[in-house]
Amino acid sequence: KNEVEQSPQNLTAQEGEFITINCSYSVGISALHWLQQHPGGGIVSLFMLSSGKKKHGRLIATINIQEKHSSLHITASHPRDSAVYICAVSMDSNYQLIWGAGTKLIIKP
Amino acid sequence: EPEVTQTPSHQVTQMGQEVILRCVPISNHLYFYWYRQILGQKVEFLVSFYNNEISEKSEIFDDQFSVERPDGSNFTLKIRSTKLEDSAMYFCASSRLEAFFGQGTRLTVV
Repeated sequence: KNEVEQSPQNLTAQEGEFITINCSYSVGISALHWLQQHPGGGIVSLFMLSSGKKKHGRLIATINIQEKHSSLHITASHPRDSAVYICAVSMDSNYQLIWGAGTKLIIKP
Repeated sequence: EPEVTQTPSHQVTQMGQEVILRCVPISNHLYFYWYRQILGQKVEFLVSFYNNEISEKSEIFDDQFSVERPDGSNFTLKIRSTKLEDSAMYFCASSRLEAFFGQGTRLTVV
């Protein structure tokens, strides 16, 4: 059974800090997703990765396929980055995503 | 930017009633999905739909649930006789290469 483990579960940081959220999974995957869930519940897809690294603004996502590990980084964090960040993996193109439990991030001004 | 639209954003229904949650996927997408998230828990996969039929479904997706793509644009999730434990946020997603998610419908069964 594939498990997706995220760490930390909760993270509180000061504005401006560099943030890292980690995700590990246990079997081969076709893609890994990083998603952001806002306090109202809506989900936004941030990245889809199958190898290497992607960057969008202050967000950077990396994946190491051999180690079955991915990280999401936020540079120069801001209170508006406060949200739950979720890692999810798909094992085929069917997108039956397997979800991590999420990391609740709070950025204090 | 294309987006997946879900309606309603919030629905309150009495136990035992039927509900239909609606989704308008992105027009050239081929795969459609429903997920749910019970408050405080992980997001869970319910069902995927391709080529006008269900391609995968989870244990949660029992006979009380059904999906349809009635008119080539909408994608609906029907719960026939709602139970209290069906209260959750329901997310629709569609994909061609990358998945896009709707904002969710919060279903409250009372």
